[in-house]
Amino acid sequence: EDKVVQSPLSLVVHEGDTVTLNCSYEVTNFRSLLWYKQEKKAPTFLFMLTSSGIEKKSGRLSSILDKKELSSILNITATQTGDSAIYLCAVVSNSGYALNFGKGTSLLVTP
Amino acid sequence: GAVVSQHPSRVICKSGTSVKIECRSLDFQATTMFWYRQFPKQSLMLMATSNEGSKATYEQGVEKDKFLINHASLTLSTLTVTSAHPEDSSFYICSARDGTEYNSPLHFGNGTRLTVT
Repeated sequence: EDKVVQSPLSLVVHEGDTVTLNCSYEVTNFRSLLWYKQEKKAPTFLFMLTSSGIEKKSGRLSSILDKKELSSILNITATQTGDSAIYLCAVVSNSGYALNFGKGTSLLVTP
Repeated sequence: GAVVSQHPSRVICKSGTSVKIECRSLDFQATTMFWYRQFPKQSLMLMATSNEGSKATYEQGVEKDKFLINHASLTLSTLTVTSAHPEDSSFYICSARDGTEYNSPLHFGNGTRLTVT
């Protein structure tokens, strides 16, 4: 059975801090790993990673995949209150098109 | 970018009634759409994969007679919760992939908050 495990489950930081969110996976025939941000409604897409070691970056957010360690990290630098959300990691495997989600990390950034 | 529209965003219904939720891909064709369910403070759980022109594929533990899925066109999939009960109250989200490749991201609708009284 495919598994996606995120840590920590929740995190509280002050504005300006840097945070690192973790995602590890055990899937059959890994295809890609995706990060989403979920606020009140549906998840919004952040990054998709398919190759190990390549950093994807968008503003203050960045992510790297480590295929050897079967994991990925999502970094957020200079956090802002608007970064408060649930961050979801999901994996696509050869067993299907669908995304297999982790439980998410709930991030709260306080002023 | 690709947009997925889901309707309604919120519905309250009485126990025993049926509720239909629509999911549309607005600017792309989606041969496959996915229906997820999310309980409070939990992650998204895949319920079923909706295939245009054929039967949906349900995940283990999801009752296909209770959660009817129809994918009649390349831009529309519907989920009908039949004979709803309070335990069916949840957040239902549909999603679709723009393209037929594994490595294109899923886009999500805004979800439907179902409350069964």
